[in-house]
Amino acid sequence: QKEVEQDPGPLSVPEGAIVSLNCTYSNSAFQYFMWYRQYSRKGPELLMYTYSSGNKEDGRFTAQVDKSSKYISLFIRDSQPSDSATYLCAFGGSGTYKYIFGTGTRLKVLA
Amino acid sequence: DGGITQSPKYLFRKEGQNVTLSCEQNLNHDAMYWYRQDPGQGLRLIYYSQIVNDFQKGDIAEGYSVSREKKESFPLTVTSAQKNPTAFYLCASSPWQEDNYGYTFGSGTRLTVV
Repeated sequence: QKEVEQDPGPLSVPEGAIVSLNCTYSNSAFQYFMWYRQYSRKGPELLMYTYSSGNKEDGRFTAQVDKSSKYISLFIRDSQPSDSATYLCAFGGSGTYKYIFGTGTRLKVLA
Repeated sequence: DGGITQSPKYLFRKEGQNVTLSCEQNLNHDAMYWYRQDPGQGLRLIYYSQIVNDFQKGDIAEGYSVSREKKESFPLTVTSAQKNPTAFYLCASSPWQEDNYGYTFGSGTRLTVV
């Protein structure tokens, strides 16, 4: 079983749709949960960072962590063409400074 | 503006050549990292450094070397021993603390073997 699983997509949605991006993980030691957005030929940029189970909201973005199910999600409301990018989930654990990244989900928002 | 600068943006390597990728940060971060990104494989850690003059191998260090002579700089050399070097290389930095609120990444270098 892979440590992190992320559907690679591509995921195509119409402008204004609600998008749900998901990752599952197997390592119970993960305590830090992140979502990065990566535009084509650019470096990833941090979108959301959470430490505990529950929801965290920032504008149109909501990150959800369910530690009991080892499942994290990123919701994008009122999606825009500018949201078209690859979204990477990432995980960090206590006692380690190395993050484990998902393979990324490619999202395309159609105008 | 604080950030990480990677150069060059594109790099072409002939068979048997060593090439060096530059990474400079002005964020005053202690830790720096090199990742390799290939389609469908996500980011894989090559090397990381916590402090000046110290660095550790990551998951795929074979065929690569690094140095950390200054806090701001963490260059990566792709040696001729790296058999499949064509990839997108990303440098990142963070404070050296457990809850470091995520990495800051550079804009990447795309290396192609010709």
